Amino acid sequence: EPEVTQTPSHQVTQMGQEVILRCVPISNHLYFYWYRQILGQKVEFLVSFYNNEISEKSEIFDDQFSVERPDGSNFTLKIRSTKLEDSAMYFCASSVTPEQYFGPGTRLTVT
Amino acid sequence: RKEVEQDPGPFNVPEGATVAFNCTYSNSASQSFFWYRQDCRKEPKLLMSVYSSGNEDGRFTAQLNRASQYISLLIRDSKLSDSATYLCVVPRGSGGSNYKLTFGKGTLLTVNP
Repeated sequence: EPEVTQTPSHQVTQMGQEVILRCVPISNHLYFYWYRQILGQKVEFLVSFYNNEISEKSEIFDDQFSVERPDGSNFTLKIRSTKLEDSAMYFCASSVTPEQYFGPGTRLTVT
Repeated sequence: RKEVEQDPGPFNVPEGATVAFNCTYSNSASQSFFWYRQDCRKEPKLLMSVYSSGNEDGRFTAQLNRASQYISLLIRDSKLSDSATYLCVVPRGSGGSNYKLTFGKGTLLTVNP
């Protein structure tokens, strides 16, 4: 069964550093998403991406965040200058119907 | 009313028990709903989609009451492997099949031997 994959599984970075989280969506999916989950809290929408552009973004997704689909398979989330409060689990998801399928997540720890 | 609100739980039930979770949503225009399950520190996994009044899949039944803006998930004959957090999820469309998912906080279920 096809799956969404994400790398790395855990990223530790210092405040102010840039990080890039990588995702490989399911191959025939058209819509791509990033969500985050701070420990103990609910899953929150960050951004959706379709046809090589952002469809919608939340207020969390400020100028420090960007997304890119650099080739036919990868989908990346970049955080330009990380803050302590960016520490969370970041999930990539993809879909072709309303149902979204999630990757295993990248745990980002900002120290 | 919050966008998506769930029973806070936790629920502790013995194996074989029947358990039900409730969820209310605020957007009366919502047409579809999902239940996901999430194991500790893992990704949400799709359990059921609800597009009409309800859906059944084996031991799991989801029911929708549009007038009350209420969704429920019933698990019959609980197994140890059902222990997880159950997430009520309401999609909001932004064109085509592009949806933003709004998650509830989840209800933790522990099934005991």
